Amino acid sequence: DQQVKQNSPSLSVQEGRISILNCDYTNSMFDYFLWYKKYPAEGPTFLISISSIKDKNEDGRFTVFLNKSAKHLSLHIVPSQPGDSAVYFCAAIPRAQAGTALIFGKGTTLSVSS
Amino acid sequence: EPEVTQTPSHQVTQMGQEVILRCVPISNHLYFYWYRQILGQKVEFLVSFYNNEISEKSEIFDDQFSVERPDGSNFTLKIRSTKLEDSAMYFCASSWDSYSNQPQHFGDGTRLSIL
Repeated sequence: DQQVKQNSPSLSVQEGRISILNCDYTNSMFDYFLWYKKYPAEGPTFLISISSIKDKNEDGRFTVFLNKSAKHLSLHIVPSQPGDSAVYFCAAIPRAQAGTALIFGKGTTLSVSS
Repeated sequence: EPEVTQTPSHQVTQMGQEVILRCVPISNHLYFYWYRQILGQKVEFLVSFYNNEISEKSEIFDDQFSVERPDGSNFTLKIRSTKLEDSAMYFCASSWDSYSNQPQHFGDGTRLSIL
């Protein structure tokens, strides 16, 4: 039951370049999508979210794009920095109701080299 | 910045024993959650809690699990009779608003090791 899929377990990028992390989903009823970043020995930290009624949301170096017809979203980090090296989780909320579970993908490990 | 705190950071327990994992959510948050991550697997939802009641639970959250908010600050997860397969990182999270777009803020987790 993989409703949220991150098919690339890892990604390596040079400092200053763009990092693109991808996520696919199967449930067309998802209401919100979120990206979390996780460092070792820490909990997931919220990065950015996007509503299902939008196709783009930007916050500083981070931009999330949503393609509903393809059931695909991506996180762009520009420019990438070594401190961005972490595991990135895509997550989705099934419906617009508080207290609802986040459904996570398996994560993509991003390594940014200087 | 306010944060969710979890104790202990690592808990080692014999199989069959009861364990209580503790969390202090962010103070003005209203919704509380437990998730777990078995090594090498996804972060999985266990339960959400609001107004002293469970609002949603997953299939994982069976009768051996319970949650409680014993006072105004703590939120606990109890596992009554632990099994080897309960070994995982357990994350507590909280969110403040009734809108689903408010992000859940996570603690750093408790690593539970069942021997």
